[in-house]
Amino acid sequence: GAGVSQSPSNKVTEKGKDVELRCDPISGHTALYWYRQRLGQGLEFLIYFQGNSAPDKSGLPSDRFSAERTGESVSTLTIQRTQQEDSAVYLCASSLVWSGNTIYFGEGSWLTVV
Amino acid sequence: GESVGLHLPTLSVQEGDNSIINCAYSNSASDYFIWYKQESGKGPQFIIDIRSNMDKRQGQRVTVLLNKTVKHLSLQIAATQPGDSAVYFCAESIGGSQGNLIFGKGTKLSVKP
Repeated sequence: GAGVSQSPSNKVTEKGKDVELRCDPISGHTALYWYRQRLGQGLEFLIYFQGNSAPDKSGLPSDRFSAERTGESVSTLTIQRTQQEDSAVYLCASSLVWSGNTIYFGEGSWLTVV
Repeated sequence: GESVGLHLPTLSVQEGDNSIINCAYSNSASDYFIWYKQESGKGPQFIIDIRSNMDKRQGQRVTVLLNKTVKHLSLQIAATQPGDSAVYFCAESIGGSQGNLIFGKGTKLSVKP
C-alpha cells in the first residue's frame, strides 16, 4: 500500500479482555517495528522484525504482550488480559532494511482500557 | 528540551521566526540520531537524521546540530510556518539501528500567526 496501515484505529476494551492490533507495512519493507506511546509521552520500543531473523522482543513490557509477523507482510500485536496501564497509542513502522533507512510510521491504534 | 515529567515542554514562536528545539540524549555510545515530527492524531514523520561522524546536517528549512561532547542535539527550523506546529521528538540509537530507537519525550512547537 501507499503507507503503513493499522487497524483498528480506535479500540475501547474492558479490563481483562484480550486485544489484537494489526499492521500492514509498506509493500517490500523487510523491517517492521512496534512502538507504544502513552499520552504526552515519547515512544517506547516494543518489538522489531527483520526478514526471517528472530524478532527483537527486548522492549515487550510483560508476557501479556506478544507479536507475530507472517513473512514480510502483516503483523499482529496481541495484548492479553489488558490492564488500564496498557491504554496508549500503539504505533507500527516499517523500513526497507534494518539499519540506516528511514522508518515510516502508521497512524497508530488508540487503545483505551476501561 | 527533554521533559522529566508528564508535561511536554512547549516552544511558542511567531510565524516567520526561526525555531530551535533542543534535545539532550542519554547514551554516549549512540551514533545515529533522528528528528521526528508528530502532528496531533498522526504517527511520527521523519524529518532529518545525522550520524555521529558529523556535527551538522541541513535539509529543506531544517538543520540538525550535534554536539557529542555535551550529548546535545538541536533542530533548527527556518522561517517557521503554522504547518510546523507539532510535537518534535529526537531519537538516538547505536550502530545505525532503527530497531530500538530511544525516543525523547518531545517538545511541542506552537506557531503563532
